[in-house]
Amino acid sequence: GESVGLHLPTLSVQEGDNSIINCAYSNSASDYFIWYKQESGKGPQFIIDIRSNMDKRQGQRVTVLLNKTVKHLSLQIAATQPGDSAVYFCAETSRPGKLIFGQGTTLQVKP
Amino acid sequence: DVKVTQSSRYLVKRTGEKVFLECVQDMDHENMFWYRQDPGLGLRLIYFSYDVKMKEKGDIPEGYSVSREKKERFSLILESASTNQTSMYLCASSSPQPSGGRETQYFGPGTRLLVL
Repeated sequence: GESVGLHLPTLSVQEGDNSIINCAYSNSASDYFIWYKQESGKGPQFIIDIRSNMDKRQGQRVTVLLNKTVKHLSLQIAATQPGDSAVYFCAETSRPGKLIFGQGTTLQVKP
Repeated sequence: DVKVTQSSRYLVKRTGEKVFLECVQDMDHENMFWYRQDPGLGLRLIYFSYDVKMKEKGDIPEGYSVSREKKERFSLILESASTNQTSMYLCASSSPQPSGGRETQYFGPGTRLLVL
């Protein structure tokens, strides 16, 4: 069946370092991927997305990489700040309206 | 910016009560969704709606119903609340993309429901 998973439940990084959050997916038909950030007590917030015809997409301080060969997605956050502390979810879809979410990785930023 | 609001941040209800959770979006999105989020289980889709008065079951619709009388409003109803419905409920909305492209879902702040 379909599943989306994150490799590590918790990632701890030093403030100023770069963070890399990984995600594996199993549905080879998935063609659209999204990263969400969820702060404590809040709903998921859209960060960045990527379509399957791309390998890389950059936003402000964030980069998403897609490796379709091994069905792997990663989110890179440059110069991690305390405000980046949150749970990060990847989500994938192969049809409209049907998002499948991973379990989430908690990012902890140490001052 | 897309804004999705939910009527309550926290709710405490008793077993057997009928519970209404309201969601409103201000971006004229056609699609609206209700999820529940539980530790270790992630986000699970309860119901979604592609248009006014339309609804489709998601992965876990049992014990829930929905109503979409207006485009901007999507309500989740717990007909008879039970303790296993204690959860974080998240509403989302999206707009279909041209040529069948994938759309991004935008989420509300969530309602944390406790059923005693």
